[in-house]
Amino acid sequence: GENVEQHPSTLSVQEGDSAVIKCTYSDSASNYFPWYKQELGKGPQLIIDIRSNVGEKKDQRIAVTLNKTAKHFSLHITETQPEDSAVYFCAAKDTGRRALTFGSGTRLQVQP
Amino acid sequence: ETGVTQSPTHLIKTRGQQVTLRCSSQSGHNTVSWYQQALGQGPQFIFQYYREEENGRGNFPPRFSGLQFPNYSSELNVNALELDDSALYLCASSWDVGGEQFFGPGTRLTVL
Repeated sequence: GENVEQHPSTLSVQEGDSAVIKCTYSDSASNYFPWYKQELGKGPQLIIDIRSNVGEKKDQRIAVTLNKTAKHFSLHITETQPEDSAVYFCAAKDTGRRALTFGSGTRLQVQP
Repeated sequence: ETGVTQSPTHLIKTRGQQVTLRCSSQSGHNTVSWYQQALGQGPQFIFQYYREEENGRGNFPPRFSGLQFPNYSSELNVNALELDDSALYLCASSWDVGGEQFFGPGTRLTVL
């Protein structure tokens, strides 16, 4: 089955700096890669996703890149703000599978 | 548009008991997936329901079972509770089996 590894497990940045979180996946059939933000006491919130026919996608301060050859994808947050502090999860799936396979999460702390 | 809702918010049970958790899917969504999230980990897929039928299952024993109703709401039932069942249980709805999954806030289950 699919296996997703996520790094780093914790990340502390100063407000205004950029943050990068990286994930690798094992199943070359995976073609859908969402990113979720989970705040304390809440469920994961979908913040951006990318499909395998696209190499990069951007939404305001958030961008995701995908390298299918290397089987890795990354989340980039620019101009970080204290409200970006949360746990971020990457996930992978192919259209034939029902389940998202999640990484182990990255706790992002943005210091004001 | 109403998002995914789950009840109850918190639940405390003792080992050996049975529990039922409930989920109302987002308007227009016909697919519900259930995940278990242990503390400090990413969500793990339990099973998915599509149009009232189980449509895929993760590596969970048969004492984890579910239902989906004609209005696409869903229940997760766990029998013979074990201490390791303590976790946040998340449900996610999607417009189809391959669509983006939107998560509810979760039910925090504690087994004593």
